Formats: sequence, C-alpha cells, structure tokens
Amino acid sequence: DPKIIQKPKYLVAVTGSEKILICEQYLGHNAMYWYRQSAKKPLEFMFSYSYQKLMDNQTASSRFQPQSSKKNHLDLQITALKPDDSATYFCASSRRDSNYAEQFFGPGTRLTVL
Amino acid sequence: TQTVSQSDAHVTVFEGDSVELRCNYSYGGSIYLSWYIQHHGHGLQFLLKYYSGNPVVQGVNGFEAEFSKSDSSFHLRKASVHWSDSAVYFCAVRESGGSNAKLTFGKGTKLSVKS
Repeated sequence: DPKIIQKPKYLVAVTGSEKILICEQYLGHNAMYWYRQSAKKPLEFMFSYSYQKLMDNQTASSRFQPQSSKKNHLDLQITALKPDDSATYFCASSRRDSNYAEQFFGPGTRLTVL
Repeated sequence: TQTVSQSDAHVTVFEGDSVELRCNYSYGGSIYLSWYIQHHGHGLQFLLKYYSGNPVVQGVNGFEAEFSKSDSSFHLRKASVHWSDSAVYFCAVRESGGSNAKLTFGKGTKLSVKS
C-alpha cells in the first residue's frame, strides 16, 4: 500500500485558474513538505510543516498556500495559475527524530498549465 | 552562497562495473548530507545519510558514500551496478540545528547502466 498518497497524478489547468494538490501520509510522521521539480530548475524546496504549523516557507509567491486540515494531510492550493507553474510537485514527510534529513517522498502530481 | 554541486549530469557504465557519483558542497556550518534516488516517473527514495562519526556510510542496495571534510565532498559509490540502478541520483544537504527542515538538492546525476 502506498505510504504517501498524492492526488491527482496528472493535472491540466488553464492560466488564471486555481487548483488544489492533495497529499496524505500514512507513515505516522509529524513533519511534511512540498517540493517542486521542473525542467528549468532542480528539485526545489517550497514549504515545511511540523505538527500542522508552518516551519519554513521558501516560496516567494503568495499564490501558493499549503493547507493542513489533519496532521497527516498537507494540501497545496495554487491560485492564479501561470504557465511557469508547470512542474511536478512532490509531497514528502519525515520524523523529527531523524533530524528531518531522511525524508519520504510521494509519487508526485504533474501539473501542466496551458 | 551555500551550494550543492553534482558535476556529472550523466554517467554511463556497464552492468557489473563499479561507479562513483560525485557530490561537492559549500556550507559554513554543521550539515546533514544525504543521497536520494529517483527512478523515471517516480518520487525520490532515500538511500543514505551522514552527519558525524565514520565517514563511510552504508545505504540500501549496496550503495555507500564517503564524507570528506577536506574536499567538501560526499561521493556515492557502488562496487557492482545492476541494470535496475539506472535512475537519477540526487545529493542533498540539510543544515543542522533549529527547526529548519529544508533539503537543498544538487541538480542530479543520471546513471545509465548498460547490459
């Protein structure tokens, strides 16, 4: 059974629209993250949450908003989508006692903005 | 500027060969170093990490990595590769201390194993 679920696997959106990327982890971890990977940039950290609280935000744009409704959920809402937002978005999680360096990644959501 | 550098974008070897994938870093303080593997179309999988102690760390599937403070390096090695090792390998750094859990990744090295 998959331990980190990301939905949907593929997503196509039009410029200016809004989408929510879903992430659920069943590893019992208390820290969750979002990363972005595109052809233009290497794997890039976006956010980290611990116990449902924001720890670090490296995303300059307020169009990207993480949402944590449950301790094992960290969804990513993206508003006013742009073609440059096209990328694969990975959710990840870890335990605090691994000092966050051992992170488990989901399969990703591939977003294409037309 | 703090950086993680993987100098080889693509490495090709034959099955049974040994391989070394290079990672160099530039960080001022204490750090955690790790390696991840990404098979095509999948998410990243953790291979191994280093923080202190024995500079040679063992990971899954026969991989090991060696830390060198003098060279600012953390190279990944495998003595005998299998075709299933074909993937992209990422070196990552996390600064120790505090609540900052951000991993900074290198650009990745694509390993192709020919049979």
